[in-house]
Amino acid sequence: NAGVTQTPKFQVLKTGQSMTLQCAQDMNHEYMSWYRQDPGMGLRLIHYSVGAGITDQGEVPNGYNVSRSTTEDFPLRLLSAAPSQTSVYFCASKGGGDEQFFGPGTRLTVL
Amino acid sequence: KQEVTQIPAALSVPEGENLVLNCSFTDSAIYNLQWFRQDPGKGLTSLLLIQSSQREQTSGRLNASLDKSSGRSTLYIAASQPGDSATYLCATHDSWGKLQFGAGTQVVVTP
Repeated sequence: NAGVTQTPKFQVLKTGQSMTLQCAQDMNHEYMSWYRQDPGMGLRLIHYSVGAGITDQGEVPNGYNVSRSTTEDFPLRLLSAAPSQTSVYFCASKGGGDEQFFGPGTRLTVL
Repeated sequence: KQEVTQIPAALSVPEGENLVLNCSFTDSAIYNLQWFRQDPGKGLTSLLLIQSSQREQTSGRLNASLDKSSGRSTLYIAASQPGDSATYLCATHDSWGKLQFGAGTQVVVTP
């Protein structure tokens, strides 16, 4: 199993551009989520999904969209990038055993 | 809102010493607690998951305890090695699977 994979690893955007961060898992996990990690702020939940077709907001959802059309994929969309969205983004998944598994992260810089 | 605190923020020990990492949380109504390791520039690696009904969990040189009533968890790493140098994060789970993270303890094990 590849576990949780994320692409791209690095991305530089200009203010106002849009992009999609990809996340996929091959463990047949129903639950998936997105976190951002900022110095001094720790990891904070952006959005989560308890299964295909179901998503909900976390602590810091503004400026981000998600959808969950398949069990495997949970993309995160930045609609109009802002410098405040410069961060490291992590995707995670969880199966029935409650242990959560994280991907390697995407380092995003918005100029 | 759940608040998770990890003290100290940084710790340096000589090789061979036992490591004791602390995690405290304000709301005792947690579902699970999970410890992670994060190496610089990398994702989070799950170390141990303690369910709310458990008092401790062990894996190799790692032992984690949980005292819900006092809002504390402790991660013990026996006979530390330079390869244990990393940042250690604890996170509480709620019943929806949402995680609340501490800021982490940065550990350096010197040869």
